[in-house]
Amino acid sequence: QVQLVQSGAEVKKPGASVTVSCKASGYTFTSYFMFWVRQAHGQGPEWMGIINPRSGDINYAQRFQGRVTLTRDTSKNTVYMELSSLKSEDTAVYYCARGAVAGAYYYGADVWGQGTTVTVSS
Amino acid sequence: QSVLTQPPSASETPGQRVTISCSGSSSNIAANTVNWYHQLPGAAPKLLIYNNNERPSGVPERFSGSKSGTSASLAISGLQSEDEADYYCAAWDDSLNAWVFGGGTKVTVL
Repeated sequence: QVQLVQSGAEVKKPGASVTVSCKASGYTFTSYFMFWVRQAHGQGPEWMGIINPRSGDINYAQRFQGRVTLTRDTSKNTVYMELSSLKSEDTAVYYCARGAVAGAYYYGADVWGQGTTVTVSS
Repeated sequence: QSVLTQPPSASETPGQRVTISCSGSSSNIAANTVNWYHQLPGAAPKLLIYNNNERPSGVPERFSGSKSGTSASLAISGLQSEDEADYYCAAWDDSLNAWVFGGGTKVTVL
């Protein structure tokens, strides 16, 4: 079955960077876009960016431009999300989520990873 | 402030029907398909409805989605206590070139 397994919880100091990984299994990794979404406690989901694992093409949400970097390793079926210059407001659960339709991003996502809690605190 | 607008809460007694609205614009809901997600506390969102009104396998028929113009809605019939959760709508926005969400609706079973 389709599964996305994310790396474990992180605690970082303000100004540091964090990298979260998302390993995919159960489908052809390069056929589906991968979304990254975060959710602060008590808030709704917020889209951060999307990567095409086949081409490496990326689209970042405007508010994260310059601070977020998405990469992929097709040999490991894994996507990575790096967020830099961390602030306390970046404390949230970070999710990867697979595109719902092969080769398309405008249909949104279907399967989600379990989430990675990132805590930013001095 | 979310791009898509949902009521913050909805409630009904067991067995009844509850409907959640999601209001958007010509660049998101009117232009692209709408997904609905269900989220329990401490868990990841789970896809409930995709492509406006399609249910993934395993989702009960009592969940249904619809879309008209710049609005969409999710209906839950035969409400059960296990349906207490947060529900979010989402759609791609062509103007923002972003995937946008509603603020979420908390459903309470009275």
